[in-house]
Amino acid sequence: SSELTQDPAVSVALGQTVRITCQGDSLRTFYAGWYQQKPGQAPVLVIYGKNNRPSGIPDRFSGSRSGNTTSLTITGAQAEDEADYYCNSRDSSGNPGVFGGGTKLTVL
Amino acid sequence: QVQLVESGGGVVQPGRSLRLSCAASGFTFSNHGMHWVRQAPGKGLEWVAVIWYDGNYKNYADSVKGRFTISRDNSKNTLYLQMNSLRAEDTAVYYCARDLGSGWMYYFDYWGQGMLVTVSS
Repeated sequence: SSELTQDPAVSVALGQTVRITCQGDSLRTFYAGWYQQKPGQAPVLVIYGKNNRPSGIPDRFSGSRSGNTTSLTITGAQAEDEADYYCNSRDSSGNPGVFGGGTKLTVL
Repeated sequence: QVQLVESGGGVVQPGRSLRLSCAASGFTFSNHGMHWVRQAPGKGLEWVAVIWYDGNYKNYADSVKGRFTISRDNSKNTLYLQMNSLRAEDTAVYYCARDLGSGWMYYFDYWGQGMLVTVSS
């Protein structure tokens, strides 16, 4: 079982704002990365660190942290944002390479 | 542009071996750490292994430690994953992924297209 916990599924109305969360004790200390994966495709890094977006990622994607929870916020969700989203960071012992279980985002 | 192209996957019997390759282009390969990440059918992502930019540090997930070996050839811009003693639970799509830094960041900013490995008798 993963030490990073994500809600299995979240939905959002087109154009509205959605927050996808990732919980874990390690997140009080370490930042996370967020990945978007569409069916049949490789994941894409959308947010890393405190709140950094790789080149080419729309600015409607942002990241934040509060306590043991890190969040990915999509402000003004688009149809093309429908995908699985995964967080990654460290486990409670500081070992890297841990992924959350993933959240399936549906845009209504 | 950055490209990562995996090869070497396929169907293999339990207990046998397989070697995956990942050919990199479009960036200075020797500046970046590299990882293997896998995804079992219908499941989430699982980190498998990392090798630092110079090959001097390697680390593995507990699930593959002692069976898998990651390596790289910076003169050929190629990453490898030698998989021995394969088990049914190793069945997955295997991705090579670039570390945002020299190997310690564990943020994966570019991914290959993925290579399916099926372990079955």
